[in-house]
Amino acid sequence: AQTVTQSQPEMSVQEAETVTLSCTYDTSESDYYLFWYKQPPSRQMILVIRQEAYKQQNATENRFSVNFQKAAKSFSLKISDSQLGDAAMYFCAYRSGAWGTNQGGKLIFGQGTELSVKP
Amino acid sequence: ETGVTQSPTHLIKTRGQQVTLRCSSQSGHNTVSWYQQALGQGPQFIFQYYREEENGRGNFPPRFSGLQFPNYSSELNVNALELDDSALYLCASSLELGSKEQYFGPGTRLTVT
Repeated sequence: AQTVTQSQPEMSVQEAETVTLSCTYDTSESDYYLFWYKQPPSRQMILVIRQEAYKQQNATENRFSVNFQKAAKSFSLKISDSQLGDAAMYFCAYRSGAWGTNQGGKLIFGQGTELSVKP
Repeated sequence: ETGVTQSPTHLIKTRGQQVTLRCSSQSGHNTVSWYQQALGQGPQFIFQYYREEENGRGNFPPRFSGLQFPNYSSELNVNALELDDSALYLCASSLELGSKEQYFGPGTRLTVT
């Protein structure tokens, strides 16, 4: 079974600085997707960034980028130029690429990292 | 805004009662998944519906059941509520089974006393 682990329950960063959130996962599959979701106090889960396992290039979305180390099964999120609005719970999630199965759409989440941003 | 809505926002039920939570997906989205998020935890997959049929289930007992309707709305029903059922319930819709992205609703906070 696949698992996702986030070992940092809480992180803090100064406004305008850079912070990296860690995530490791375990799977025997070769085809999968990895995601970072942001969940602010409003509870709405918002997709931050997505990485396809078959792509070697790390995904980037504006101030957000990932360091995807497939062999090490590591998937960290880097937030550059942190803003007060970045404060939220961040979840790393895994999804099988075998979407034709009855578990294909299932997202497996880590425990989350609560990020606070200091002004 | 993801275009996915859930109702009610929150509710309180008594142990042993039954509850129905509702989700309205984006128009055209044939797949909906439900997740349970206990306080301080990541969401846990309950089940997924595709074109009105269950298409995968997590480690949840049969008293958790669902329905999906042709108008892109869906329901999560929980019978014989237990205290541990207190959680945030999230629905997420996607265009098709193979879609890379799921769009989450704001969730329903259920408290069981």
